[in-house]
Amino acid sequence: GAGVSQSPRYKVAKRGQDVALRCDPISGHVSLFWYQQALGQGPEFLTYFQNEAQLDKSGLPSDRFFAERPEGSVSTLKIQRTQQEDSAVYLCASSLESRTEAFFGQGTRLTVV
Amino acid sequence: DQQVKQNSPSLSVQEGRISILNCDYTNSMFDYFLWYKKYPAEGPTFLISISSIKDKNEDGRFTVFLNKSAKHLSLHIVPSQPGDSAVYFCAASSMTGSSNTGKLIFGQGTTLQVKP
Repeated sequence: GAGVSQSPRYKVAKRGQDVALRCDPISGHVSLFWYQQALGQGPEFLTYFQNEAQLDKSGLPSDRFFAERPEGSVSTLKIQRTQQEDSAVYLCASSLESRTEAFFGQGTRLTVV
Repeated sequence: DQQVKQNSPSLSVQEGRISILNCDYTNSMFDYFLWYKKYPAEGPTFLISISSIKDKNEDGRFTVFLNKSAKHLSLHIVPSQPGDSAVYFCAASSMTGSSNTGKLIFGQGTTLQVKP
């Protein structure tokens, strides 16, 4: 596709429910990043993939958060047993390689009720 | 510990005038800086970047200035247009070193309003 695509755009989850957020990066982009953006704040780094390898997961806030990119293209961010503090916009970004400009998707707005 | 700070939450300027958005950072390992623009309900869009080996980069109406000694960068938009109204994020990264992934550290954002 022309850009980074994320789905769903909006997700409402009941507290305790598991959710899965999908990211389709730009074709051929090696690097993929997940960020979390709370209301009124800048995006905060969650995790980084180079192809299928998850090279940095230092930003994942807890072990309830899990990300994968099994074939080096599409990535899924999974949040288990969602809590209210998980409510945020989750942004995916991809780049040709790790040290070039990253292009962002539109994000998934997660609301935990 | 906020490594990248945008101390002005908002800025309002008149159409045709200059908009100056500021950003400060604390980590001396940062060597690559970017500005992103964000409209409501959309993801951030890359605007302009600058490497630490430069002190200025210009692209059309947008110019980014870097003052390494002060750990300060600024984005100048001239002339400002109503369509520039958006949230602007400053971001920094450390691109050197084999272990660096290029992850971005963002400021809190500045909301720019350009009045017609």
